Amino acid sequence: AQSVTQPDIHITVSEGASLELRCNYSYGATPYLFWYVQSPGQGLQLLLKYFSGDTLVQGIKGFEAEFKRSQSSFNLRKPSVHWSDAAEYFCAVGPMNRDDKIIFGKGTRLHILP
Amino acid sequence: GAVVSQHPSWVICKSGTSVKIECRSLDFQATTMFWYRQFPKQSLMLMATSNEGSKATYEQGVEKDKFLINHASLTLSTLTVTSAHPEDSSFYICSTRDWREETQYFGPGTRLLVL
Repeated sequence: AQSVTQPDIHITVSEGASLELRCNYSYGATPYLFWYVQSPGQGLQLLLKYFSGDTLVQGIKGFEAEFKRSQSSFNLRKPSVHWSDAAEYFCAVGPMNRDDKIIFGKGTRLHILP
Repeated sequence: GAVVSQHPSWVICKSGTSVKIECRSLDFQATTMFWYRQFPKQSLMLMATSNEGSKATYEQGVEKDKFLINHASLTLSTLTVTSAHPEDSSFYICSTRDWREETQYFGPGTRLLVL
């Protein structure tokens, strides 16, 4: 079955510290992988995506993610977090066919300590 | 990427009334839009896939007569919550799939509170 697992419901890091949010997926074919961020009361904003090619992808706001096929993972990283990064982060996987569903993880809430 | 707008951003209504939420694709002709519902501190739940010019496809457990979806043009899809009740209070988000970038983009969401 297709699924996305974000093992950490909450993560707390200090401002300026590095960050890694974990994402594991189960998918039958080569997946399209995404990370979205959602601030309170807002919609989802695309951070980055991976389809093929270089397995280390750069996104907006200083985020990057690395696709590891052998581990079925697509972890999100940032070398130094800012207080404004506090939000909910969703990993998603999909085929991007016309009507096929994109599958979301349950999300990881990031808290930033001053 | 595609820009998606929603209107209204929030709405408060009395129980028993109907509420219409609009979703617009501002710079992209969207043949397919998606409607999601999100409960507090939870992930997104797909309600239905809205296809331009045809009937929407609803997910299992979503009442078609309760949540009416109309996708009359390539830039507009509407979700009408009919005879709303307090349990329908939620955050509703629409999304469109931009085939130019093979990416799904989301609207800002509509907060519905039914009293």
